[in-house]
Amino acid sequence: DAGVTQSPTHLIKTRGQQVTLRCSPKSGHDTVSWYQQALGQGPQFIFQYYEEEERQRGNFPDRFSGHQFPNYSSELNVNALLLGDSALYLCASSPSVTGLQETQYFGPGTRLLVL
Amino acid sequence: DQQVKQNSPSLSVQEGRISILNCDYTNSMFDYFLWYKKYPAEGPTFLISISSIKDKNEDGRFTVFLNKSAKHLSLHIVPSQPGDSAVYFCAAAIDFGNEKLTFGTGTRLTIIP
Repeated sequence: DAGVTQSPTHLIKTRGQQVTLRCSPKSGHDTVSWYQQALGQGPQFIFQYYEEEERQRGNFPDRFSGHQFPNYSSELNVNALLLGDSALYLCASSPSVTGLQETQYFGPGTRLLVL
Repeated sequence: DQQVKQNSPSLSVQEGRISILNCDYTNSMFDYFLWYKKYPAEGPTFLISISSIKDKNEDGRFTVFLNKSAKHLSLHIVPSQPGDSAVYFCAAAIDFGNEKLTFGTGTRLTIIP
């Protein structure tokens, strides 16, 4: 079992561009959450997807959007990139049947640098 | 508005001694608390959790204490081992099963051999 995988591992973009980050959940997991971790900060919840719909959302602007596919994989899209969007983006997956935070597994993250 | 705070950015402890990591929160709606450990280039991994109805939870070398009136929790690691060197995050949720977590800023623990 590969666990949660994310691609790409690193990415450099310029201000105003758009970016798409990808996440494949752990086998057997159907719920995907995305977090942003800025340098020196803890992860901040962006949103969660279940059954291809956004189920919960944190305090992030509409520039941040997502999608979940029928195979449970997910994408995070960020439009009109700002310098402040530079961060490590973490994906976490969990099985909806348990409803336990302990069963939430995190991927290694995608490090985004906006110049 | 930092609802979960870890005021010590770093901590160094001698191998074999006790490591104590602290966490404070401000939102009284938080009902469930977790500790995560993070190594470089890896995602956070779940360590231990505690519900607000308890004041202590133990799992091997790891014990979490919760003081609800003070809105304070702590993670004790004893004895500390070199492999415990990592960044530790405290996280909180409004209820058990809600995966929307609010994280603290982390404490980098270094175990000195």
